[in-house]
Amino acid sequence: EPEVTQTPSHQVTQMGQEVILRCVPISNHLYFYWYRQILGQKVEFLVSFYNNEISEKSEIFDDQFSVERPDGSNFTLKIRSTKLEDSAMYFCASRGQKMREGYTFGSGTRLTVV
Amino acid sequence: AQKITQTQPGMFVQEKEAVTLDCTYDTSDPSYGLFWYKQPSSGEMIFLIYQGSYDQQNATEGRYSLNFQKARKSANLVISASQLGDSAMYFCAMREISGSARQLTFGSGTQLTVLP
Repeated sequence: EPEVTQTPSHQVTQMGQEVILRCVPISNHLYFYWYRQILGQKVEFLVSFYNNEISEKSEIFDDQFSVERPDGSNFTLKIRSTKLEDSAMYFCASRGQKMREGYTFGSGTRLTVV
Repeated sequence: AQKITQTQPGMFVQEKEAVTLDCTYDTSDPSYGLFWYKQPSSGEMIFLIYQGSYDQQNATEGRYSLNFQKARKSANLVISASQLGDSAMYFCAMREISGSARQLTFGSGTQLTVLP
């Protein structure tokens, strides 16, 4: 079954450092997303990406965040200068045209900012 | 405004019994989709079932069914014949088609524990 692949599975970084979280969405999907989940809390929307541009973003997705689809397969989330409160599980998701097939999530990257 | 409400932070069910996880939602968009996801302790998000607002029948997927009551704005997940492997966090989510919340918006989740 097709899956969304995220790397790395865990990342520890110093406060103020830049991190890049990587995702390979399902190949025939057109819509891409980043979500985050702070430990024990709800899953929060960060950004959606379609047709090579951001289609929606949340209040969380401020100037510290950026997304890119540098080639036909990868989808990245960059956090420019990490803060302690950026520590969370970050999920990439993708979906095709049919919403009833659901959004397919990757297994997540656990980011710890120290 | 809270779009998705899951009022049960934790639920327990005996193995082989059925369990209902509650979800209510708020939208003025007539066209929307409702989703349920399972998050085991390993952390991944597993898509379980989808219900469209215009679907005439309640969705079913194996042991999962969705009790969709549109007038009450509720979309409860029913798991029949619970198994130990069903122990997990369950999230209800909604996506409006033309409203302001076109991204998938999640509830706070229900932690289900299946007892042997």
